[in-house]
Amino acid sequence: SQQGEEDPQALSIQEGENATMNCSYKTSINNLQWYRQNSGRGLVHLILIRSNEREKHSGRLRVTLDTSKKSSSLLITASRAADTASYFCATAKMDSSYKLIFGSGTRLLVRP
Amino acid sequence: GAVVSQHPSRVICKSGTSVKIECRSLDFQATTMFWYRQFPKQSLMLMATSNEGSKATYEQGVEKDKFLINHASLTLSTLTVTSAHPEDSSFYICSAAGTGSTSGHFGNGTRLTVT
Repeated sequence: SQQGEEDPQALSIQEGENATMNCSYKTSINNLQWYRQNSGRGLVHLILIRSNEREKHSGRLRVTLDTSKKSSSLLITASRAADTASYFCATAKMDSSYKLIFGSGTRLLVRP
Repeated sequence: GAVVSQHPSRVICKSGTSVKIECRSLDFQATTMFWYRQFPKQSLMLMATSNEGSKATYEQGVEKDKFLINHASLTLSTLTVTSAHPEDSSFYICSAAGTGSTSGHFGNGTRLTVT
């Protein structure tokens, strides 16, 4: 069953603006990961944050994790048209860190 | 980095036929492989988990007799969609994980169209 819910479902911004996507989940986790998927293509792993971490950066990406609220956010700064894609959070449970349960996803459109 | 190859990338088959999708870990030993299904504009749903040499564990609602999974070696898992129907048309993606991995590695997916 799908564990995570993401909001917004769709987001349209102008190039150069920041994009923030949120993810909520239901059970205790080992780690949370964010993926990008271009239309009809495979997944690109963006970043992994462990349950004992609160924030992580990778280039223009910033991920936060609040285990007390069971939520995470992905911030893309200075967005580009090439960032247009669907973004999914995925959680790995404590007892099976490779088995991922995906959120519902956010479709991001960055207008040039 | 770890590479997972999935084949074929696209397949079209007639209703009632069976289709086999392969997932290979090219440069590491995959002790566990996962199979996901994604319908258009939806998220990935985990179908089953397979460990090398043992029977797959299916998620609730996934028919094990329809989606046959074989993980006979540490580098290959196959998903066979038996007696395919148009409603089985979907994007199927595998993920492979090995000892010491912090996360699974995904194949590029297979788009199945059943006519």
